[in-house]
Amino acid sequence: DADVTQTPRNRITKTGKRIMLECSQTKGHDRMYWYRQDPGLGLQLIYYSFDVKDINKGEISDGYSVSRQAQAKFSLSLESAIPNQTALYFCATSDPTRGYGYTFGSGTRLTVV
Amino acid sequence: GQQLNQSPQSMFIQEGEDVSMNCTSSSIFNTWLWYKQEPGEGPVLLIALYKAGELTSNGRLTAQFGITRKDSFLNISASIPSDVGIYFCAGQLGYGANSKLTFGKGITLSVRP
Repeated sequence: DADVTQTPRNRITKTGKRIMLECSQTKGHDRMYWYRQDPGLGLQLIYYSFDVKDINKGEISDGYSVSRQAQAKFSLSLESAIPNQTALYFCATSDPTRGYGYTFGSGTRLTVV
Repeated sequence: GQQLNQSPQSMFIQEGEDVSMNCTSSSIFNTWLWYKQEPGEGPVLLIALYKAGELTSNGRLTAQFGITRKDSFLNISASIPSDVGIYFCAGQLGYGANSKLTFGKGITLSVRP
């Protein structure tokens, strides 16, 4: 099983619908992140959580919300999806006490029509 | 905020050639990392650099942490078709809130057989 699992891998949804992207990890890391990737724009941080009780906005949090249900689970919600939220979404985890760098999931490709 | 500059956005090389990628910043970082993203997958850590001037190799990959702490380069020698992907640099300033990674926009590498 992958260390960081994202579901679904692909999703097509309609404008105005609520959608949740889920992320679970088996690495035992406290820190989890949600990124959005658009062609040519690199990785933009949406939200991050340093532990279950700590949630922080990233660079582009408008239109998104998150929930840290447990150390291993961090979900991203789009309350009312719009077409410019069509992108590739990545979840990542880290533990600075075990070295630097993030472990990424395989991504969720979201299309809003 | 901190920004990392990677250019050009795309590079096209012939199989067997060496290629070098730079990453520059207006701010200093204490850790530099290089990631590779293959199609349909999340970024995977290639090399981490922890000290100014450090030169580290991983197979055909060599990366250096610039002595000013404001830049890093990645060199790939004797490229092969499976080297295709997006290469991201990332910088990390320190611990706590500063432990979040700042990513460059990535360079898409294409290798012609």
